[in-house]
Parts: sequence; C-alpha cells; structure tokens
Amino acid sequence: QQQVKQSPQSLIVQKGGISIINCAYENTAFDYFPWYQQFPGKGPALLIAIRPDVSEKKEGRFTISFNKSAKQFSLHIMDSQPGDSATYFCAAQAGDKIIFGKGTRLHILP
Amino acid sequence: KAGVTQTPRYLIKTRGQQVTLSCSPISGHRSVSWYQQTPGQGLQFLFEYFSETQRNKGNFPGRFSGRQFSNSRSEMNVSTLELGDSALYLCASSLVLVGGNEQFFGPGTRLTVL
Repeated sequence: QQQVKQSPQSLIVQKGGISIINCAYENTAFDYFPWYQQFPGKGPALLIAIRPDVSEKKEGRFTISFNKSAKQFSLHIMDSQPGDSATYFCAAQAGDKIIFGKGTRLHILP
Repeated sequence: KAGVTQTPRYLIKTRGQQVTLSCSPISGHRSVSWYQQTPGQGLQFLFEYFSETQRNKGNFPGRFSGRQFSNSRSEMNVSTLELGDSALYLCASSLVLVGGNEQFFGPGTRLTVL
C-alpha cells in the first residue's frame, strides 16, 4: 500500500517531442505529489508538484496530469530539449511520510 | 542562501568498518531527512530529524543511525559496513516536517564499500 510505481524505467525522446512519465499509487491518504529532477552528480530538485484537488498543473513546458479515481499521475514534458536529459522521480506524501518512485532516466536526442 | 551541504562527497570503506556522514541544512530549516539512493531501489527513506528528535524512520536495520544537533546540522552513522551499503546517501532539508513541504536535497555522499 505504500508503493509508488513509476514507469518507464528509461525513455528516449527526440528533441521537440513530448516526454511522458507515469506513476501509480495505492494509498488514498497521499495528498501531495511532487516530481523531482536529478542531474548526474547532483541531488534531486523539486520540479513541479500537485495536490489531489486539481486534475492538472502546468509550469512552462512541464505539466502534471492527475487522475484521482485511477490513483495515477503523470509528468508531461512538452518540446523536450537535450537539457531535460536527467532522472525524474515521482513521489507521494501523506502527512510526514514520503514515498518515491524508482525513477525514470530520460534521454533527449539532439 | 547557501544550499544543503554534505561532507564528504566521496568515501571508500571496507566491510566491517563504520562511517559517519555529515549534513548542513539550509539556514532556518529545522527538518533533515536522509535517503539512500541505489540504481535498483531508487530513493529509499532512512529517517527524518526535527528539532533534534527522530520523527520518522524507514525500514533499515539498526546499523543505520543518525542524530541532529541544536544548530539543525545532522550526522548519519552506519556501523559494520556491508557491500550492499554502497550507495549515494542524500540529505534533504525543509522548513518544517516533510509532509506537504518542499525538500531541498544536497549533492550526496557517494559511499563505496570494498
């Protein structure tokens, strides 16, 4: 019940394309869903986050889509750029507990 | 504002030894969390400290321990090192307890156990 399942493990997208990463959770107590971006040699950094009272949140080229009934949420990166190549982690938080997905390694082809 | 700092950045130890990692949170942040990151398991929560008290603990053996000082700086200790402890250990700070608050991660300490 505490798992957050993230897919795919790795993703290759052409420059200018759309990158989509999916996450699913089981515990309905989760109430905050952040996405973190991690570059090699660096710690993860918060990219965008959503609460379950909205179905979509957009910040620049990054959008979170949230489906409360399906207990799924996804990250869409529009017009993907080589600089977006990184590892992305979804997470789910409930109170003072946070569970991370296992990460998606994204590579954008120039 | 300075970010989260971790020392050392790299560490090589042998099985059976013990190690202490250090984390300095962002000024004003009172919560410090520790994570273990490995290719196979991703980010796994170790423990969280707030105001010098451990508030949450992940599913790790007692060989993993930590503490937080009055200035919010935190240390993590691993005793009797095993090969499987090789990982990137990340520290993250937040203003208050984790729930619903952004965490700011340090660059991590890469631990290699030989």
